[in-house]
Amino acid sequence: GAGVSQSPRYKVAKRGQDVALRCDPISGHVSLFWYQQALGQGPEFLTYFQNEAQLDKSGLPSDRFFAERPEGSVSTLKIQRTQQEDSAVYLCASSFTTDIAASTDTQYFGPGTRLTVL
Amino acid sequence: AQSVTQPDIHITVSEGASLELRCNYSYGATPYLFWYVQSPGQGLQLLLKYFSGDTLVQGIKGFEAEFKRSQSSFNLRKPSVHWSDAAEYFCAVGTQGGSEKLVFGKGTKLTVNP
Repeated sequence: GAGVSQSPRYKVAKRGQDVALRCDPISGHVSLFWYQQALGQGPEFLTYFQNEAQLDKSGLPSDRFFAERPEGSVSTLKIQRTQQEDSAVYLCASSFTTDIAASTDTQYFGPGTRLTVL
Repeated sequence: AQSVTQPDIHITVSEGASLELRCNYSYGATPYLFWYVQSPGQGLQLLLKYFSGDTLVQGIKGFEAEFKRSQSSFNLRKPSVHWSDAAEYFCAVGTQGGSEKLVFGKGTKLTVNP
């Protein structure tokens, strides 16, 4: 079946531009996560949705970052007035349950969007 | 706060040799531990996970990991490495209560020599 898809796969932005990154989770998955992976680093948590509710946005680095999931499926991560330090791969993940302790729960990751800010 | 340390940034092994990737975690409660693999241009793929019970966990592609609470470790092993195992490997701890997010280590890049 289809996995998590993300678009665009690559995005080049000039400093100061706004960008929007899209995530299509696996159909029926309740939980959706955004992570940021800087070059040579592990992914770092940005934000979490349970259906359309954004339950945790503690990882968003500044108020320039905004995420939404209005209908509980597709999600968009928006970055306003991009800065060079925003250059990274942005990963989206989804899972069927809301309980990480459930043996059946697994976070499935998309291929990511590589953002380069010039 | 939860944290994960992967002490080895880069490991090189010969094809057919055994492999052990180290992972140490810091978490106050019972940890939920994961190993993911990331190939260039690909998303993260789950290799295995530990929640409770048997401390030796079997995963896909012939990998296994052992949870040792006394050492706060969750090392990944494979008895015989294949060239296709060359990739970056990430250990993660899952948090419970709230966002169920994953906290990742910085990763270990594995190179396999023929």
